[in-house]
Amino acid sequence: QVKLQESGPGLVKPSETLSLTCTVSGGSISSYYWTWIRQPPGKGLEWIGYVYYRGSTNYNPSLKSRVTISLDTSKNQFSLKLSSVTAADTAVYYCGHLAYSSGWYLDYWGQGTLVTVSS
Amino acid sequence: DIQMTQSPSSLSASVGDRVTITCRASQGISSYLAWYQQKPGKVPKLLIYGASTLQSGVPSRFSGSGSGTDFTLIISSLQPEDIATYYCQNYYSALRTFGQGTKVEIK
Repeated sequence: QVKLQESGPGLVKPSETLSLTCTVSGGSISSYYWTWIRQPPGKGLEWIGYVYYRGSTNYNPSLKSRVTISLDTSKNQFSLKLSSVTAADTAVYYCGHLAYSSGWYLDYWGQGTLVTVSS
Repeated sequence: DIQMTQSPSSLSASVGDRVTITCRASQGISSYLAWYQQKPGKVPKLLIYGASTLQSGVPSRFSGSGSGTDFTLIISSLQPEDIATYYCQNYYSALRTFGQGTKVEIK
C-alpha cells in the first residue's frame, strides 16, 4: 500500500513561495500520477494539479501562473511550489496518488499539512 | 470548466435511515466520478470510484450510481461513524473539480 507524507514550513510570509514535499513509501514514484489538493480552514477541497511520472503536468487554471509540481525520482518524492502567496492560500495541503481504472482517480492521501500565510 | 454541484449541502438523519446525496455535473462526465468521506479533523477517504465501484474495505451500506451528469451516493442504513462531509469529484476533465460537500449529521 502506498503511503504519502507531506513536509515543509507551516508558516510562509505573504508574497513568498510556499514549498512542500511529499515523500512516497510502499511504491515507486516512477509510475502513476501524483497530485496536490488543498483545503482552506472550514472549507471544501480544491484540486491544485498533478504530475505524471514521465514529468508532464496539469494545473488548476486558477493557480496555473503560480504553481509548479515536480518529481525527484532519486528520493521518491514530488513537490509543490506556489509563488506569491497571500492569506487566501492558507490551507491544509494534501498530496495524493492517482490509481487507474478506466480513468485516473485519487485513492491514497497524505495526512495533510497546514500552511499558514502570515507576516 | 465542469462544475460539480452537490445537494443537499447538509442533512440530519437518524441512525438506521437511508441517506441519499446527489452530485450533478455541468456537462457529461461518463462514469468518471469518485466519492470521498471526510470525518471531522481527518483526511478524506475514497469510498467509490467509477461512479459505482466500492473501494476495498468500504462497508457495503455505501453505494453509488449514475452516469453522464447525475450521480447518487446512498448510505443504506446510517451509522454513527458515518458522520462526515462527503465530496464528489470529477476525474473526466483535466480540471479535477470537487463538489462543495454534503455534511451529514445524526438527528
